[in-house]
Amino acid sequence: HVQLQESGPGLVEPSQTLSLTCTVSGEPIATGNSYWGWVRQHPGKGLEWIGHIYYSGDAYYMPSLESRVTISVDTSKNEFSLKMKSVTSADSAVYFCSRLPYDTVTGSAGWFDPWGQGARVTVSS
Amino acid sequence: YNLTQPPSVAVSPGQTAGITCSGDFLEQTYAFWYQQKPGQSPVLLIYHDTYRPSGIPERFSGSSSGNTATLTISGTQEMDEADYYCQMWASGTAVFGSGTRVTVL
Repeated sequence: HVQLQESGPGLVEPSQTLSLTCTVSGEPIATGNSYWGWVRQHPGKGLEWIGHIYYSGDAYYMPSLESRVTISVDTSKNEFSLKMKSVTSADSAVYFCSRLPYDTVTGSAGWFDPWGQGARVTVSS
Repeated sequence: YNLTQPPSVAVSPGQTAGITCSGDFLEQTYAFWYQQKPGQSPVLLIYHDTYRPSGIPERFSGSSSGNTATLTISGTQEMDEADYYCQMWASGTAVFGSGTRVTVL
């Protein structure tokens, strides 16, 4: 039974770096059975994919965010992290981490399941 | 890449609700569906167009034809009132639909 838990500051100042960590339990990231991703949701809006990473460190990002985002993985701690630099109020959102099983049909990341409970981040001075 | 969903769908208890998801790229890839209740995280309902994960009630089903995927809720219950999102992969990027609010009247 895989569980994910986001952690990190709930308030970030404009132009600073947003940092979140997702701690995984129930599945060692190092097994390579899954990818691990981040999705955000602006207040009252829909879901927006940020990116995902494989245990090897291979990461994939939304093109519009790629210049500001880094996703990294620490297999020894069984966690992965999101860093987003130069944030503005437009980055205020709930940030979810999720597991993406390796899809044997497509040979790449599959679906988002399960999800963490979400971390609300506000960008404000 | 875009996925278009109706903003809202209203359904009476016990009736069938259908939520469509349209996108040019859907003909070439799979659709996934998620349910999100207020204040909660999304939950996977359907993967690979039609498959239901264990633990998801049988009243939820998925289908796909051409560039449109459909989530059907049969015998809708009050607990099904939620936002529903479709999702696909296009050129290595995950694309979510704008979401459909299902109201059970």
